[in-house]
Amino acid sequence: EVQLLESGGGLVQPGGSLRLSCAASGFTFSSYAMSWVRQAPGKGLEWVSTISASVSGGKTYYAASVKGRFSISRDTSTNNLYLQMNSLRVEDTAIYYCAPPDLPAPIPWGQGTLVTVSS
Amino acid sequence: QSVLTQPPSASGTPGQRVTFSCSGSNSNIGSDTVNWYQQLPGTAPKLLIYSNDQRPSGVPARFSGSKSGTSASLAISGLQSEDEADYYCAAWDASLNGRIFGTGTKVTVL
Repeated sequence: EVQLLESGGGLVQPGGSLRLSCAASGFTFSSYAMSWVRQAPGKGLEWVSTISASVSGGKTYYAASVKGRFSISRDTSTNNLYLQMNSLRVEDTAIYYCAPPDLPAPIPWGQGTLVTVSS
Repeated sequence: QSVLTQPPSASGTPGQRVTFSCSGSNSNIGSDTVNWYQQLPGTAPKLLIYSNDQRPSGVPARFSGSKSGTSASLAISGLQSEDEADYYCAAWDASLNGRIFGTGTKVTVL
């Protein structure tokens, strides 16, 4: 079955850290760029980060709002995508989605994992 | 910060055709393809249109996309009640070196 399953969200204090995971299955994970997209409560979608396919060197890209604080990575041996989030701020509170590549045979987005940054 | 502008809302009665836009610039829509996503209430986004005008498998033919210059449009023909959702456009921005989403359009079926 083709699916993405996020985990690792939770409540964290400002300045804290959290590591999100996304388990991918049913497609050739290493062949595609993968991204994280977030959605603050009641707000629109915001792109967070992208990592290119392994064959493209696994290049990483970040939104200005998270650059220097977040780090995206992937483990092709276990088909997992990660987002290490440091120095978290209240404004990082959101549902974080592991976003699949946009393909003709689409891969469904995961259900997301909620990150709440609050004291 | 999003630089793709969409109208906040659009509406129509069942069976009508609804169209709304996504306005960008030369650094994003003008130089890259546009994707559209549908987000039903309380659910994750779903790919609706890729590469400006291509429908993924399983997406009904009543959804269509187009692009001209620095703007793109999404059209829903034969509007149905289950089309009530938020719709977002997206493109890569060469200046920001990152992906950007539109501000989102909420479609209401009257």
